This record gives sequence, C-alpha cells and structure tokens, in this order.
Amino acid sequence: DADVTQTPRNRITKTGKRIMLECSQTKGHDRMYWYRQDPGLGLRLIYYSFDVKDINKGEISDGYSVSRQAQAKFSLSLESAIPNQTALYFCATSALRGTDTQYFGPGTRLTVL
Amino acid sequence: QKEVEQNSGPLSVPEGAIASLNCTYSDRGSQSFFWYRQYSGKSPELIMFIYSNGDKEDGRFTAQLNKASQYVSLLIRDSQPSDSATYLCAVRGISGGYNKLIFGAGTRLAVHP
Repeated sequence: DADVTQTPRNRITKTGKRIMLECSQTKGHDRMYWYRQDPGLGLRLIYYSFDVKDINKGEISDGYSVSRQAQAKFSLSLESAIPNQTALYFCATSALRGTDTQYFGPGTRLTVL
Repeated sequence: QKEVEQNSGPLSVPEGAIASLNCTYSDRGSQSFFWYRQYSGKSPELIMFIYSNGDKEDGRFTAQLNKASQYVSLLIRDSQPSDSATYLCAVRGISGGYNKLIFGAGTRLAVHP
C-alpha cells in the first residue's frame, strides 16, 4: 500500500465551485505539505503543517485553505475555483527527526474550466 | 534572481555516458540539498541528499556541492534510457523558515540509445 495517498487523482470542475483535495499518510510523519506544480515553474508551496495545531502559509496560499484533521490527514480546499488553479497538486510528508526528507503522494490533476 | 535555478534542458546524452546536472542556489546559509527524479505525470521521488559538509555517492549517482560558487551537481554514470526524466533540485536553507524546501523548476534529461 502507498504510504502517502491523495484523492481524487483527477478532477475536472467549473469556475466558482468549491473543491477539496485530500491527503492521507501511513508513514507516521508529523509534517505535511501541499504543493502545486505548473509547467516551467516547478513545485511551489501552498501550505504546510508541522503538527495538528500548526498551520502555515506557503508562498502561494491566496485562494486556498487547509485543514489538518489528524496527524495523518491534511486537506486542501479551493473555496471558489478559478481556471489559473488548474495544475498538478502534490501532498508531501516529512518526519520531525532524521533527514527531514519530504515524501510525495501520487498527485491530483485538477482542471478548472 | 530565483532562489534555486536549473537549466530546463533538455539535456540529451547517449546511453552509457555521464549525465551532469547542475543547480545554483542563492541562500549562502543553505544546509542541505536534495535531488528528486520525476517521471512525466508522476510524483517526485528522492534520489539522494547531501549536507553542506560533503559529497555523496550512491551507486551510479554522485552529488557534489560547491559551496564557494553555490551550486550542487548530480552526476549519473552509465546513463540508461530509464534515467530519462526531469530532475528537481531542492535546497533547504535557514532563511524562509525551518524545513521549507525550495525547489528548482527541474532539468529534463533524455538518454537516447
């Protein structure tokens, strides 16, 4: 079984709709992250959470919100989707100790029409 | 200037050759450096990481750090067609907050038979 899972894997929606992307992990990591990836721009951090009570904005948080429901679950919401939020979204996790390497989920391809 | 810069490529090398990928970073206080491989449409997967105190070799892969010039390299020996992917460099520095990885946009590598 995958250590970091994301649902849905693909989603097509319309402008103005509310969308939630979910991430779950069985790695036991404290830290979780949401990134988006656009061609030529690489991975950009949207939000990150170091534990259930700690939520922090990344470099491109406008238009997004998150919820850390449990240590293992971190959801990303688009309150009112717009076409320029069309992208590949990745969830990642890392451990508090050790190398702090981030491990990525399989991604969600989101298209906003 | 971007915090982490990579040539987008494609870098084309023949099978069996050495592929050399480079990444420059702007934060002189950066502590650790990561190389991820990403196949088209897939999630990034860690190849290796190094700390600011030295180089590292793992099988066909070698990561080298030049702190004075602020760049990190990834060498792939005996390149195989299966190495064809985008390689992302990520840097963790002391500016911008603890454990926030800054990713480059990636270099696309094409290994031809």
